[in-house]
Amino acid sequence: DQQVKQNSPSLSVQEGRISILNCDYTNSMFDYFLWYKKYPAEGPTFLISISSIKDKNEDGRFTVFLNKSAKHLSLHIVPSQPGDSAVYFCAASATFGSNYQLIWGAGTKLIIKP
Amino acid sequence: NAGVTQTPKFQVLKTGQSMTLQCAQDMNHNSMYWYRQDPGMGLRLIYYSASEGTTDKGEVPNGYNVSRLNKREFSLRLESAAPSQTSVYFCASSGGGGYTFGSGTRLTVV
Repeated sequence: DQQVKQNSPSLSVQEGRISILNCDYTNSMFDYFLWYKKYPAEGPTFLISISSIKDKNEDGRFTVFLNKSAKHLSLHIVPSQPGDSAVYFCAASATFGSNYQLIWGAGTKLIIKP
Repeated sequence: NAGVTQTPKFQVLKTGQSMTLQCAQDMNHNSMYWYRQDPGMGLRLIYYSASEGTTDKGEVPNGYNVSRLNKREFSLRLESAAPSQTSVYFCASSGGGGYTFGSGTRLTVV
């Protein structure tokens, strides 16, 4: 049973346009959400995060939106650039107990077309 | 350079062979993790170590063992490799916030 779902395996967007990557979760105990970016032959790198006490977090061209009632979050990239072509992973955690573990989505491959 | 270092980057094993994947971090993080990444499956946790001296099973621990040698190092051992263990393996560490990942080990078992 996947607790974090990224239903779009891939997404193609024109350079300069907005990229919107979606993520759904099922566990209402999740209270911290992160997006990671992964280039081929490299490990994932942290991009942006959001706590459940917020509904929006912005960092430059990247904005993450959280809709707790719908158990849905999205990553917006505006404007999209060729260097944004990568696989994006959504991850969630329930920061209870002493173990901090992330539950990962399957990833969405973003392709930015020139 | 600060970060997570994994060795080797590539490895081909025959079925039944054993090997150890090495991981070291120099960020003084308490927690370390081993993941495998397979197409369409995302990152699946194999084992983790919340602190030096402790290890726990993750989602897919069968066929693997780990050792938290000290605070810096966390190794993953395959005692008898199987084709189903063909994957890309990532080590990560965390100080309580986000994770820092190594660059991965691409393992092929034939």
